[in-house]
Amino acid sequence: QSILTQPPSTSGTPGQRVTISCSGSSSNIGGNNVNWYQHLPGSAPKLLIFANNQRPSRVPDRFSGSKSGTSASMAISGLQSEDEADYYCASWDDSLDAWIFGGGTKVTVL
Amino acid sequence: QLQLQESGPGVMKPSETLSLTCTVSGGSIGGTSFYWDWIRWSPGTGLEWIGNIYSSGTTYYNPSLKSRVTISVDKSKNQFSLKMTSVTAADTAVYYCAREMTGSGTFIDLWGQGTLVTVSS
Repeated sequence: QSILTQPPSTSGTPGQRVTISCSGSSSNIGGNNVNWYQHLPGSAPKLLIFANNQRPSRVPDRFSGSKSGTSASMAISGLQSEDEADYYCASWDDSLDAWIFGGGTKVTVL
Repeated sequence: QLQLQESGPGVMKPSETLSLTCTVSGGSIGGTSFYWDWIRWSPGTGLEWIGNIYSSGTTYYNPSLKSRVTISVDKSKNQFSLKMTSVTAADTAVYYCAREMTGSGTFIDLWGQGTLVTVSS
């Protein structure tokens, strides 16, 4: 069981908006930034959001992130078939002195 | 463009020591703004951080793996390595090496393609 809690799955139709939550504690999300990754098994994970709400230049603005207290979330607007993948949140944990990942959320495009 | 490439044994037996190497090309591993990380992925667990190393040799490890893991860096070869002792079937995973940016935000931004390690008797 991961220290960062994500829903196992979510789904939406093309064009819809989906949101993925990531719940942690004061030793990780509460005191540190959250990053988000997209992963397709067989491929390298891809950084989507860093420092809670910043996007690398190559990432479409359909992806957005936010953080409040000990929780964070990432939204995908205008869902596309190519967005079907696993999504992970990550944060540094000051108690463990380690990076921790959420359990991952599988996004299905219906 | 910086690239990372893992190399390793592929298949191993329980109790053996896993050795993986990550070769960095297109840039120097000695940069002061980077850590170099190992992460693994398996279908049942998802992404799991193993540990990292700074060019100075400073390391951090996942507490759950710390007793079995050593990460080292060879700046002359622009490589960093992972050793994991006493592997079991639970260590079967795709192993990734990655670059971690530090500064105003800290994040793992570049990943190798990954190498599958299967532990089986």
